[in-house]
Amino acid sequence: DVKVTQSSRYLVKRTGEKVFLECVQDMDHENMFWYRQDPGLGLRLIYFSYDVKMKEKGDIPEGYSVSREKKERFSLILESASTNQTSMYLCASSSGGRPYEQYFGPGTRLTVT
Amino acid sequence: GDSVTQMEGPVTLSEEAFLTINCTYTATGYPSLFWYVQYPGEGLQLLLKATKADDKGSNKGFEATYRKETTSFHLEKGSVQVSDSAVYFCALTAPLVFGKGTRLSVIA
Repeated sequence: DVKVTQSSRYLVKRTGEKVFLECVQDMDHENMFWYRQDPGLGLRLIYFSYDVKMKEKGDIPEGYSVSREKKERFSLILESASTNQTSMYLCASSSGGRPYEQYFGPGTRLTVT
Repeated sequence: GDSVTQMEGPVTLSEEAFLTINCTYTATGYPSLFWYVQYPGEGLQLLLKATKADDKGSNKGFEATYRKETTSFHLEKGSVQVSDSAVYFCALTAPLVFGKGTRLSVIA
């Protein structure tokens, strides 16, 4: 069974802290994605990666960075967390052959105080 | 740019009622279309898809037909159950562009 796991379901951080959100997939997928989900706004793409060490900006990359050192792992980094980054963060992956059939992790609900 | 518009919720139905959630899109070329579902406390799951005009995607009693002439991909189910209560997202390839989601609540 396909699996995308995220390091935490719930996270509380303080303003200014550096935050790491980890995502791991076990399907040998080439593509990985980070979204944030907010009420009334749906899902918005932050960053995605088509290969190891490659990254592309999505619609809302400001305030975020990513790292993909290994194929199975894609990390989202908040360099200096702010309260407007309080949100649900969803990681997804997909194969190169079917790039748009994405498999999602359970999400991390991040609260920045 | 490419976009998806889906009906706003929430939608509340009684068990065994007929469901329609409207979705229209704007895209260049010939996108693939998807419906994803998010159950409470979980990530999104692919519900069904259609890759070309007139294709019908179906799964778990849900159906949607890719209508190029009306740029639509409406989700339907003939008889909803309480277990169908979730948020439903329409999406198209771009990479994926999502609608804002429609929350469905089904009451017994």
